Amino acid sequence: DVKVTQSSRYLVKRTGEKVFLECVQDMDHENMFWYRQDPGLGLRLIYFSYDVKMKEKGDIPEGYSVSREKKERFSLILESASTNQTSMYLCASSLGGVSPYFGPGTRLTVT
Amino acid sequence: AQSVTQLDSHVSVSEGTPVLLRCNYSSSYSPSLFWYVQHPNKGLQLLLKYTSAATLVKGINGFEAEFKKSETSFHLTKPSAHMSDAAEYFCVVSGNTGFQKLVFGTGTRLLVSP
Repeated sequence: DVKVTQSSRYLVKRTGEKVFLECVQDMDHENMFWYRQDPGLGLRLIYFSYDVKMKEKGDIPEGYSVSREKKERFSLILESASTNQTSMYLCASSLGGVSPYFGPGTRLTVT
Repeated sequence: AQSVTQLDSHVSVSEGTPVLLRCNYSSSYSPSLFWYVQHPNKGLQLLLKYTSAATLVKGINGFEAEFKKSETSFHLTKPSAHMSDAAEYFCVVSGNTGFQKLVFGTGTRLLVSP
């Protein structure tokens, strides 16, 4: 079974902190994604990566950056957390045209 | 540009009755379409997908969906609801790149009463 794991299920941070969300997949997938999920808005794509050290902006990249130094790991970075970044963050990975597999999510609260 | 509209934010059914979750899509070319399910405090799980083969697609847990190009619809159905079907369901259309960039609907919460 494909496994996508996220470093934390719940995270509480203060405004202005630098926040790292980690995602690891174990199936050698080339594509990895970060989404945020908010009630009534569905999932919105923040960033994606199609190869090591490659990244592309999604629909809502402002306030975020990403890092992919190894194929299995894709990190989302909030440079200076703000309260409007309180959300559920979902990581996903896929291989070519296969539909993505999702991790369990990280619920981030910024106070 | 791709887009998807889920017509109901909430759907309530009784156990044993049929389920219909409605989805309309917009795409400038033949899309790939998916339904994902999210149970409380769980990640998203793929229910089924349409990728230009048979228009009636069967998925897991007795769900199926029919692709209707003339109506630009991809509604999700199940003949008989079970309590364990209570969850949030997302209709998804693939983006216009080669990297499976997905566009999600806003979700439909399915409530199942005994």
